Amino acid sequence: GQNIDQPTEMTATEGAIVQINCTYQTSGFNGLFWYQQHAGEAPTFLSYNVLDGLEEKGRFSSFLSRSKGYSYLLLKELQMKDSASYLCAVMDSNYQLIWGAGTKLIIKP
Amino acid sequence: GAVVSQHPSRVICKSGTSVKIECRSLDFQATTMFWYRQFPKQSLMLMATSNEGSKATYEQGVEKDKFLINHASLTLSTLTVTSAHPEDSSFYICSARDATSGGFDEQYFGPGTRLTVT
Repeated sequence: GQNIDQPTEMTATEGAIVQINCTYQTSGFNGLFWYQQHAGEAPTFLSYNVLDGLEEKGRFSSFLSRSKGYSYLLLKELQMKDSASYLCAVMDSNYQLIWGAGTKLIIKP
Repeated sequence: GAVVSQHPSRVICKSGTSVKIECRSLDFQATTMFWYRQFPKQSLMLMATSNEGSKATYEQGVEKDKFLINHASLTLSTLTVTSAHPEDSSFYICSARDATSGGFDEQYFGPGTRLTVT
């Protein structure tokens, strides 16, 4: 079956750095997405990786290793507004998104 | 960027009635739209994939006669929850794929519709 694993919850301190990991097993691979979702709102796109390596976008970076079925989202200089759920999703061979359960990130002052 | 709207944002209905939710791509043509349901503290669950001009493809366990999907144009898909029950109360989110983007296959999400069935 298809499976996306990410931690349920993480806590970090304002101004610090946090890494949210995601491992996957899917039928085919057409890219990995990270989304941010605040409570009661729809997800918003953060990043996309289809090749191995690191993609940097401001305070957020995303890494992919296809051979290991592994990705992480790195958030730097954490701000209180970064408190949200972070969803990892993989696009499979049918171009459907397979979603992880999300990681709830709690930022403490 | 591409914008997807949903209407209504919140709806409360009585058990046994039907509710229609609209999903519109405002500045692009969406040949494919997706309908998701999300229960509290859970991830998105794909309900169905809707292709313009054809019947929707429903995920296993989703009743197609209960959740009617219509994708009559390149910018509009509707989800009708028929004979709603309290267990249908959930957050319904649509997304749309911009087939002409030329880039990666990003899905653009609508803001979601909070359905409460009393």
